[in-house]
Amino acid sequence: QKEVEQNSGPLSVPEGAIASLNCTYSDRVSQSFFWYRQYSGKSPELIMSIYSNGDKEDGRFTAQLNKASQYVSLLIRDSQPSDSATYLCAVRGSNYKLTFGKGTLLTVNP
Amino acid sequence: DAGITQSPRYKITETGRQVTLMCHQTWSHSYMFWYRQDLGHGLRLIYYSAAADITDKGEVPDGYVVSRSKTENFPLTLESATRSQTSVYFCASSPKGGEAFFGQGTRLTVV
Repeated sequence: QKEVEQNSGPLSVPEGAIASLNCTYSDRVSQSFFWYRQYSGKSPELIMSIYSNGDKEDGRFTAQLNKASQYVSLLIRDSQPSDSATYLCAVRGSNYKLTFGKGTLLTVNP
Repeated sequence: DAGITQSPRYKITETGRQVTLMCHQTWSHSYMFWYRQDLGHGLRLIYYSAAADITDKGEVPDGYVVSRSKTENFPLTLESATRSQTSVYFCASSPKGGEAFFGQGTRLTVV
């Protein structure tokens, strides 16, 4: 089992819709969880971090963490064409190793 | 300038040659990471380091060597480059337990 798993997509949503991205992880004692956005040909860019169960909101982005289910998600409200990118879920394990999922390609259609 | 920088940005080398990719950060972050990114595989961890002189293997360490004599530098060496090591390499740094920030990447082609 991969340590961090994401739906590879592609995920396609119309402009203005909510995009929902999901991630599961295998290390039960993982401490920190991150969402990165990566545009084609660019380096990953941090957009959200979450450390405790529940929701964390930042503008149009909401990260949700459920440690009991080993599940973390990212919601993007009012999706814009500029949100089209690959979204990477990353998990910091008990040994501080930072492991990424393969990413989900999101396309927002005007 | 503050931040994390990688050099070179692009490199073409021949099979069997030794290549070193450089990574330098100015934040005094304790943790540094090396990843490779290939289509279909996402970001795979090669090596990481918790502090100067402390390094540990990641998911795909074979064929790579790292060192960390100073907190700010974390070079990655391909001892004898192979075509399968053609990839985009990213270096990242983070404080303990915190967010990681990435360099611009190095695109390496082994011919």
